[in-house]
Amino acid sequence: DGGITQSPKYLFRKEGQNVTLSCEQNLNHDAMYWYRQDPGQGLRLIYYSQIVNDFQKGDIAEGYSVSREKKESFPLTVTSAQKNPTAFYLCASYPWRGSSYNEQFFGPGTRLTVL
Amino acid sequence: DQQVKQNSPSLSVQEGRISILNCDYTNSMFDYFLWYKKYPAEGPTFLISISSIKDKNEDGRFTVFLNKSAKHLSLHIVPSQPGDSAVYFCAASDIQGAQKLVFGQGTRLTINP
Repeated sequence: DGGITQSPKYLFRKEGQNVTLSCEQNLNHDAMYWYRQDPGQGLRLIYYSQIVNDFQKGDIAEGYSVSREKKESFPLTVTSAQKNPTAFYLCASYPWRGSSYNEQFFGPGTRLTVL
Repeated sequence: DQQVKQNSPSLSVQEGRISILNCDYTNSMFDYFLWYKKYPAEGPTFLISISSIKDKNEDGRFTVFLNKSAKHLSLHIVPSQPGDSAVYFCAASDIQGAQKLVFGQGTRLTINP
């Protein structure tokens, strides 16, 4: 059945290491997004991509990088430049073209803890 | 600058009663609004949406009301059930779709038996 998968569910890394979070969707959606959730805060947009090989910075892109080589995949790398990387990371997708009054679909999330 | 605000971090309601969750926004260009429900350690799931051309949208136990002049929307859940206990996020878009959303901080709803 169609959906968004994020792996792993929990991830631990040492400070100073880069780490890549996986996001895959089989919904044939054009757009994909990465959000970060911290306690007591809403979802904040890190990066988004409307189409393969193109992506835009969101509100809190510093310390993160992404790629979009395939429509189905949108991996997020948390680099050592990110000051406070410990958070819950959510990936989402959206049909984009020809869509209105729809919603973004979310994956189950990855909890990243940097020790 | 928080463009979408949910001023109540938490809300506690008796089972069977009405739950009312509120959301305010500052950007007058927002014209599409959504509510998401989120359980701990899971992704948000879509609940209900409303376009600015309407002032009410209903789906089963969930109703969203939009007051454009006050830049305020609310989510009503009637009757409230224990499974409704979750964090609720409102989100807004300045185009007729969910291509780019701005989220509120969330309200944790607890339904007491």
